Formats: sequence, structure tokens, C-alpha cells
Amino acid sequence: EAGVTQFPSHSVIEKGQTVTLRCDPISGHDNLYWYRRVMGKEIKFLLHFVKESKQDESGMPNNRFLAERTGGTYSTLKVQPAELEDSGVYFCASRPTGEGYTFGSGTRLTVV
Amino acid sequence: AQSVTQPDIHITVSEGASLELRCNYSYGATPYLFWYVQSPGQGLQLLLKYFSGDTLVQGIKGFEAEFKRSQSSFNLRKPSVHWSDAAEYFCAVGDSGGYQKVTFGTGTKLQVIP
Repeated sequence: EAGVTQFPSHSVIEKGQTVTLRCDPISGHDNLYWYRRVMGKEIKFLLHFVKESKQDESGMPNNRFLAERTGGTYSTLKVQPAELEDSGVYFCASRPTGEGYTFGSGTRLTVV
Repeated sequence: AQSVTQPDIHITVSEGASLELRCNYSYGATPYLFWYVQSPGQGLQLLLKYFSGDTLVQGIKGFEAEFKRSQSSFNLRKPSVHWSDAAEYFCAVGDSGGYQKVTFGTGTKLQVIP
């Protein structure tokens, strides 16, 4: 079984540019999550999809962040325009209902 | 609001020595507790979890953790560390149902020396 796939694995962009991160969950997993770790701090919840619907987006930092999940399959997280404080590692996780998470290896975003 | 404290940012142990990583949590009800590990270039891997029942939980790779309600702690232990255990370890608490939203600690980096 393929795991949770995230790409790119690394992205370096300039302040003010746009970046789109992608997550391919495990097939059949209805629940998809985005988390973020800013350097040296804890991993923080961003949002949760159930299929294509946003179940909880209370962790999204501001309106520069837009998450979508097309047809309940893959998800994208767009940051527009990127700021320096957006640098960090963005993790995606998926899970079937009633079971635990499988995390991807993360996308390291650096905004310069 | 739930929170997790991992007081040790960095720990160094000798290979073969025992290990204990500390974790304290704050949660209003019965907590759902996890330990995850992240090796370089890898995703977060679940080591073990506690939802209820026996307070001593066995996990993968020879790890165990003990839930102590009176101390709001969930410390991770391993009797003999291997060089491959060098990684970053995260304690986490889940909200109702365990998996809807997970709050992580800041992590403890483990270095293993020969």
C-alpha cells in the first residue's frame, strides 16, 4: 500500500510569491489533515478534511492560506503571498474513519 | 485547551543505555496520548498510543510508555537504546475520539553516541 505522498519535498521561494503544496493521501482514506511545524516549535494543526469538505479549519493562520481537496482525493495547500514567517515543515496525514493517522514525510518550505 | 510539554529539547545517551523521554499534558477529560518518532527525511511514525486500560503501553521498536494520571505524564522509555533510535520524538494528545485533532509537544531530539 502506498503511503501518504507529499510534494515537493523542499521549496524555496521569495517573499511575496505563491507556493502550492500537494498531498496525496492513502487511497480510501476519507480524513485528510494538514499540520505545520515552524522551526523549533511544536507541530500545529491547520485543518481537517472529510472527503472534500472542510471539517475543521480552525488552525489556518490567516487568509493567505487556502486549502482544497478535489473530489475527496488529493489536497493542495496554497500560500499566497508567502511571508517569512510561513517557513516551516508542512505535514499531511490521512486516516480511515475510526483509525489512526499515517503521516507524509512533509514539505520543507523556506521563504527568503 | 489541551497542551503538551516536552521539557527536554535535546538528549544524548550512549548506545546500550536506558532512555526516558518526559512528557506532561494538560487535558480536561480522559486523554488520548501518543508518541511519534521522526527520523531524518521520514514522516512521523506512531510508536504507541494510550486510549484506556492498562497504563503501561507497549509500542514498536521496543518502546513503552506509562500513563500516570496523578502526574499528568506519559513518559516514553526504552531499556537499551540502539544507534538507529537517533531521531526526534514527539508526544501528543488527541481530542475527543482521539484522532480528530492532535496537539503535539515541541519534540525531543535524541542523539545516540557509541
